[in-house]
Amino acid sequence: GNSVTQMEGPVTLSEEAFLTINCTYTATGYPSLFWYVQYPGEGLQLLLKATKADDKGSNKGFEATYRKETTSFHLEKGSVQVSDSAVYFCALLGLGGSEKLVFGKGTKLTVNP
Amino acid sequence: GAVVSQHPSRVICKSGTSVKIECRSLDFQATTMFWYRQFPKQSLMLMATSNEGSKATYEQGVEKDKFLINHASLTLSTLTVTSAHPEDSSFYICSAPDRGLPMNTEAFFGQGTRLTVV
Repeated sequence: GNSVTQMEGPVTLSEEAFLTINCTYTATGYPSLFWYVQYPGEGLQLLLKATKADDKGSNKGFEATYRKETTSFHLEKGSVQVSDSAVYFCALLGLGGSEKLVFGKGTKLTVNP
Repeated sequence: GAVVSQHPSRVICKSGTSVKIECRSLDFQATTMFWYRQFPKQSLMLMATSNEGSKATYEQGVEKDKFLINHASLTLSTLTVTSAHPEDSSFYICSAPDRGLPMNTEAFFGQGTRLTVV
C-alpha cells in the first residue's frame, strides 16, 4: 500500500537558518503530495501541494518539488522565522476514489530567535 | 477554498458516556471522509474511512463498536465514541478530499476535537 516516510525530529534551528525536512513516498501511479502544518493547539492546515511529477509547490517561503525519480517531496525554506515553529506533516493522496490520505509521522520544528 | 467544519472543538465527558463529533464539508460534496486520532508527540493515526451511503472502513486495531461512524449525507460524517474511557482522551481530526477539484486532489481538514474523558 501507499506510505510516506518523513524525517523524524525534533528539528531546532536559529532564525534565518535554512530548513530541509525530508519526505519520501511509496505509491502506485501518480499520487498527489502535500505538506501540512500544525501550529500549537490547532488543526492541520495545507501548506503546499504538488499534483504531478516535477511540480513545485510553494507558499510562505516554503517549497517542495515532486520528484518521481527519487519518490521524494522534501520541504525547504531558505530563511526560517520564529513563527514557523510548528509540526510539519508530509502526506500523499492516491487518485482512486477510495484512496486514503496517508501521513508521515510529522516533524516538530522549533525556531529560536 | 473549501472548508471542513468540525464540531465541537473541545468536549469533556464522564467515563461511560458517549460523545458525538461532527464533520461537515461546507462548500463541496464529500463521498469520503477520513477520521484520524492524534496521539501525544504528534503522530496521526488513521482510524477509519467514512463512505457516504455505505459502511465505514476501519483500520486494523480500531474497534468498530467503540468508534461508530455514520456518513448519512454528502456533507456530513459523524464519529461517536461510545462508552468513553479516559484512554479515549485524544485529539480527533476529520478530513475530506475534494475530488471534484482539478487533478482530483486536495484534502481539507477540520479544526479537530479535543476529547477529555474524566
